[in-house]
Formats: sequence, C-alpha cells, structure tokens
Amino acid sequence: KQEVTQIPAALSVPEGENLVLNCSFTDSAIYNLQWFRQDPGKGLTSLLLIQSSQREQTSGRLNASLDKSSGRSTLYIAASQPGDSATYLCAVPSQGGSEKLVFGKGTKLTVNP
Amino acid sequence: DAGVIQSPRHEVTEMGQEVTLRCKPISGHDYLFWYRQTMMRGLELLIYFNNNVPIDDSGMPEDRFSAKMPNASFSTLKIQPSEPRDSAVYFCASSASRKNTGELFFGEGSRLTVL
Repeated sequence: KQEVTQIPAALSVPEGENLVLNCSFTDSAIYNLQWFRQDPGKGLTSLLLIQSSQREQTSGRLNASLDKSSGRSTLYIAASQPGDSATYLCAVPSQGGSEKLVFGKGTKLTVNP
Repeated sequence: DAGVIQSPRHEVTEMGQEVTLRCKPISGHDYLFWYRQTMMRGLELLIYFNNNVPIDDSGMPEDRFSAKMPNASFSTLKIQPSEPRDSAVYFCASSASRKNTGELFFGEGSRLTVL
C-alpha cells in the first residue's frame, strides 16, 4: 500500500531564505509525482508534475526533484517570500500509473517578512 | 477555461438531511475525482470517473454516499442521510490521462458542516 510522508509538518523561515521540503513514498514504481500548494480555505493548485523519466522540474523559483529508487522527492524554493506561505502537498499514484493519487499530509510553510 | 467549478462553497445542514454537492470539470478532461479533506485524515479519494463511468468507488465510506456523472460536464456527490462525522471539505478535481501529462486540477471545495 502506497504511503506518502512529508517532513516537517510545519516550517517557519525568514523572508529570503532558500528552503527544501521533503516527500517520501513507499512504492517507487510510479509514473509521476506532483507537488501542490494549498492556501487556507482554498483548493489545491498544481505546482509541478515530474514524470518518472525526469529527475527534476523547474518553474520560476521552484525546483522539484525525483529520486524513484530511494522513494524521495524534494521541493526547493529559492529566495522565499511571504506570499509563499501555504501548505505544500506531494502526491503519487497508489501504484504504477494508477489514476488514484495518494497525498501526503503536507508541510505548512510560513515565511516571515 | 474557468477551471473546476464546485457548488455550494459552504453548506450547513442538520443531521439526517440530504446533501448534494456539484461539480463541473474542466472541458476536455476525461477523469473526474471526488476527494474529502479533514484535519485528521488529510485528503482521501472517495471515487473517480473516467469518461463518465465510475471506475473506483472503494473510498466511499458508506452506502449513505453516492456519486453520479450523467455527462462529461457535470457530477454530483450526494450524502443521505448526513451525519456530523461527514463534516469536511469536499473537493472535485479533473485531469486528462495521468499516464501522459495528467496534471490534476482542483476546484475550490465545498465546506460541509453537519450539525
């Protein structure tokens, strides 16, 4: 059974810091991995989708890496800003290329001005 | 495209009442998902459809829950009768085939409170 763990559960940093959020999963036979952002009272917004053939994806100040063999992904946020404050969740298929996603419980990020 | 549209955004009802949540997926997406989010359990998949056909409803907690997708642009999640433990945020999401590009797009959610 696929399980996704995100550590830490919460993180508070001063503005301008570079930071890394971690995601680990138990079944490495996945087609892709997706990182989402959730603002309070809002739905999830897709940030980055990494296919299994890729090792990383970049969008602006965000960079996500995927290491299938070790069952890990990281989301790197450069030069953090108060507007980055949100909960970040990662999700992987329950198995292989399944349409069912299993989500981590997220890392709540606070960037202090 | 306006994205995934859900209604109502907030619903407060009394135990025993019927609740119907609605979702309009992104045009052209052939997968539709219903998720439930609580503090205790996080995001849980309830059911998903492919081309309007239910594929996996193993996450539906009880027979009190039912979902339909009568056409490609509309889906409902119904709870009858509702109970206080059903209080949660219910999200609808849609995507094209995940094996190819498969980004998942979420609606804003329907916050349900059952008194």
